[in-house]
Amino acid sequence: QLHLQESGPGLVKPSETLSLTCSVSGDSINSGCFFWGWIRQSPGKGLEWIGSLYSCGTTYYNPSLKSRVTISADRSKNEFSLKLTSLTAADTAVYHCVRHPTGWYEVDYWGLGRLVTVAS
Amino acid sequence: QSALTQPPSVSGSLGQSVTISCTGTSSDVGHYNRVSWYQQPPGTAPKLIIFEVYNRPSGVPHRFSASKSGNTASLTISGLQTEDEAIYYCSSYTTNTIVVFGGGTKLTVL
Repeated sequence: QLHLQESGPGLVKPSETLSLTCSVSGDSINSGCFFWGWIRQSPGKGLEWIGSLYSCGTTYYNPSLKSRVTISADRSKNEFSLKLTSLTAADTAVYHCVRHPTGWYEVDYWGLGRLVTVAS
Repeated sequence: QSALTQPPSVSGSLGQSVTISCTGTSSDVGHYNRVSWYQQPPGTAPKLIIFEVYNRPSGVPHRFSASKSGNTASLTISGLQTEDEAIYYCSSYTTNTIVVFGGGTKLTVL
């Protein structure tokens, strides 16, 4: 059974950069061709797809966040990460790492989520 | 404000059926058969219960069914059980190559 676990800071200051890591267990991100991504959930904006990395190709981002987002993988550690720059209060959310079985239009595995608050 | 419109709440009695609607546009729900539904009980991560409009992943009870007509997708839960209480979200792929979600519908089982 695949398990995804987010880690990273729970509080970040405005204008700073958020870095989150997703540790994958139960399978390798190198096995097969899947999408590994990030979705955030906030009371104000609901669920929002941030972007996804295709293990056999490139990375895709939500155009609304593309200028501030980087998703990358460390295959040796079986984990992938999210960097989001120039944070504002609007970025406060629960950040879930996810796996997509085919395209990023559906998610078959979700991490429980990491609450990130942007405040000074 | 979410891209897809869902009713904020629905309720139904034990054993009865409820239907949750998800209304989009001709650029998302109406354009692709890439509509998914997720169930999120309190304090847990969302769980995929329907993919590609009407398909159930392995292990999801047959009580959960779904369909689409035009720009509106629907999820029907029959034979309601107490464990069905959760927030249900729909999602759809769009012509802008992103995935968008509904605002969620809280199901209460009476």
